[in-house]
Amino acid sequence: ETGVTQTPRHLVMGMTNKKSLKCEQHLGHNAMYWYKQSAKKPLELMFVYSLEERVENNSVPSRFSPECPNSSHLFLHLHTLQPEDSALYLCASSQVLRGNYGYTFGSGTRLTVV
Amino acid sequence: GQQLNQSPQSMFIQEGEDVSMNCTSSSIFNTWLWYKQDPGEGPVLLIALYKAGELTSNGRLTAQFGITRKDSFLNISASIPSDVGIYFCAGHLVAGNMLTFGGGTRLMVKP
Repeated sequence: ETGVTQTPRHLVMGMTNKKSLKCEQHLGHNAMYWYKQSAKKPLELMFVYSLEERVENNSVPSRFSPECPNSSHLFLHLHTLQPEDSALYLCASSQVLRGNYGYTFGSGTRLTVV
Repeated sequence: GQQLNQSPQSMFIQEGEDVSMNCTSSSIFNTWLWYKQDPGEGPVLLIALYKAGELTSNGRLTAQFGITRKDSFLNISASIPSDVGIYFCAGHLVAGNMLTFGGGTRLMVKP
């Protein structure tokens, strides 16, 4: 496996369900990010982890709970979501300390809340 | 956060036409990046620019880092149907490490 892998690719969940999104990077990066992309809206930064510590939480509702157990893995735990939370959730990684600032994105998880 | 104004928001062009889109900001950036997002996928890096005035090409794509360091443009020559997607500009502020993204340009190409 190379790059950034997200699972599942598609998820349909009820408002009372609990589910988790998984992201794994094989690039040796030390920073990972969660973004939300809704229809006709720009990319919204949700959470940032650098060296496995959360460095940014962009006023995200508590029904979204991130977890970064190590520098290669990032999770987004979901519970009691609302229909407006339906969106494409993108994970990205980067090497914070080097000159190459580009983020590498995964293919995303398309979440539908019913 | 800092604002990157990307325009146009959408374009609908004929195959073979050239395309131009740009990003502007009131702040100075030390890196400009251009990404493309295919339908149902994550954004993929197309071009990275690191110096003011830098002009870089990647096939039919050409991007420039503005002299003022507050803007960048992306040109696509002789568009083809597979150019369809959303193009995002992104940049690093001089003092920051987080990428700031523009709102995206949705490109549609008519065969």
